[in-house]
Order: sequence, then structure tokens, then C-alpha cells
Amino acid sequence: DAGVTQSPTHLIKTRGQQVTLRCSPISGHKSVSWYQQVLGQGPQFIFQYYEKEERGRGNFPDRFSARQFPNYSSELNVNALLLGDSALYLCASSPRTGDYTDTQYFGPGTRLTVL
Amino acid sequence: AQRVTQPEKLLSVFKGAPVELKCNYSYSGSPELFWYVQYSRQRLQLLLRHISRESIKGFTADLNKGETSFHLKKPFAQEEDSAMYYCALSFSNYQLIWGAGTKLIIKP
Repeated sequence: DAGVTQSPTHLIKTRGQQVTLRCSPISGHKSVSWYQQVLGQGPQFIFQYYEKEERGRGNFPDRFSARQFPNYSSELNVNALLLGDSALYLCASSPRTGDYTDTQYFGPGTRLTVL
Repeated sequence: AQRVTQPEKLLSVFKGAPVELKCNYSYSGSPELFWYVQYSRQRLQLLLRHISRESIKGFTADLNKGETSFHLKKPFAQEEDSAMYYCALSFSNYQLIWGAGTKLIIKP
């Protein structure tokens, strides 16, 4: 198993544009979480999805949205990009219900640069 | 609000010396605490978690509810321990709250 995969690896956008990031969880994992990691800081929770339903949402504006598909893959969408959205976006999957005691398995991340 | 604090951005110790990476948290309930590690050019991975009470790669961490701490310790550092270490807290709403991380450098 390749583990959690994310695409694209790198992305450059300009302010005001929209971006879609993709994540494929480990086979058999039904829960996907998204994190934003700004340089020099720890990851910040954006969303968690389980069985295509949103389980949790962090303190991010409505410009951020996500969804999970029947095959458990997920997309993170960011509209009206701001310079401050430049960050590494991490996806993580977990094997169970996304219960708070679950271990999360991380992908390599997508590096988004907003110019 | 829930918060995780890792007071040291950088910790440098000699090989064979003891290591302690500090983690303090603020949460009034019963959290689950984790240490994640990121080695150079690798992805974030779980090192250990409080609920398992295990030792991984010689590292241990004890939850001290009185001091709200979950410090990571290893008695004898090895060069391969050089990495970025993150402490994280999870509670009932399915999210992880992360510290800013500590970069550990083991000098030969």
C-alpha cells in the first residue's frame, strides 16, 4: 500500500483564484482529515470527514470547503485565495470512525503558493 | 480554549545524552495525547500515544494531569533521532490540536 496520497505535490496560484486539492486514503480507511501547516507552525485542523459526512470543522472561513466521495477519497476546495493561504496542506486518514483516540496516517502534503 | 505548547523551537543535545522534549497542554477534560515525528524528507508519523503506554524507539512519555504535561523522554539520544517532533492533543470533537513543534538535533 502506498499510504495516503495527495495531488498535486506543488501548486502556484494567484490571489482570487480557486484551488482543489485531492487526497486518497489508505485502503480500508473511511475517515479523512485535512490540515493546514504554515511555515514554522504546527498543523491546524480544517475538516474531518467520515463516510462522506463532515464530522468536524476547524476555525477556517467559508472559503474552505471539502467533500468525501463514495470511495473515501476527498477534495479540499479553497475559493478566493489570499496570500495567507500559502501553506502545506496535509491530508490524513484513520482506520476507524475518526474517533479521537484514532491514530492518523499522513500524506506527503500539497504545497500551495499564492502570489 | 484548547492549546498545546512546546516551549522549545530547537533542542540540541549530544549523542548519548538524555533528551526531554516538553509539551504542555490546556484542556479541562480527559484528552488523548500524541507525539508525532517528522524525519527529514519523510511524512508525519505517529511516534507514540498516551493511551498505549508504550515505548517506541526508546522514547517514553508520561501524562501528568496535575501539571498538564506530556513530556517526551529518551535516556540516551542517537543521531537518527534528529527530527521535528510535534505534540498533539485530541478530544471529543475529532480534531487534533498541535503544538508548534520542536526541532531536535543530535550532535555526534
